Amino acid sequence: NAGVMQNPRHLVRRRGQEARLRCSPMKGHSHVYWYRQLPEEGLKFMVYLQKENIIDESGMPKERFSAEFPKEGPSILRIQQVVRGDSAAYFCASSPGAPGGYNEQFFGPGTRLTVL
Amino acid sequence: KQEVTQIPAALSVPEGENLVLNCSFTDSAIYNLQWFRQDPGKGLTSLLLIQSSQREQTSGRLNASLDKSSGRSTLYIAASQPGDSATYLCAVDGNKLVFGAGTILRVKS
Repeated sequence: NAGVMQNPRHLVRRRGQEARLRCSPMKGHSHVYWYRQLPEEGLKFMVYLQKENIIDESGMPKERFSAEFPKEGPSILRIQQVVRGDSAAYFCASSPGAPGGYNEQFFGPGTRLTVL
Repeated sequence: KQEVTQIPAALSVPEGENLVLNCSFTDSAIYNLQWFRQDPGKGLTSLLLIQSSQREQTSGRLNASLDKSSGRSTLYIAASQPGDSATYLCAVDGNKLVFGAGTILRVKS
């Protein structure tokens, strides 16, 4: 059973370009979470999605960031018009069920975004 | 708003020592607590998950305890090895994971 997969592992963008980060959850997992780790800072929750639904986006910046988890295919975190402050490691996690009880989240290797 | 604090921020010990990492949280309304390990430039590896109704979990040389009422958890590592060197993260789950800043552990051979 393959783990959570993220690609690309490293992404370099110039200011103003778009960044698309992809996450394929573990087989059988229908719950996906995105977290961001800024340099010298801890991991912060961004968004929680189920198939075709955004459940909690309380950690998402109000502008330029969006996320989706379509019926088919990976979850996508999209950052429009990137700025240097978006440079960070973006981690995706998946779980078999909704938060609560024994619901372990499994993390992918992350995508390291560098904005020039 | 949930806040998670980890003490110490960094720890350097000789190989073979037993050690304790501490985690505290402000809101006891949690479903569970997870301990993770993160190696430099890498993702997170889940070590242990303790449900809110449990007091402790064990895996190999690792033992994690949870005192939900006082908002505390400890991760005990027995007979530390150089391969244990990493950042250890505590995260509480009350609908989403809230992470502490981590403890950077270095085990010297």
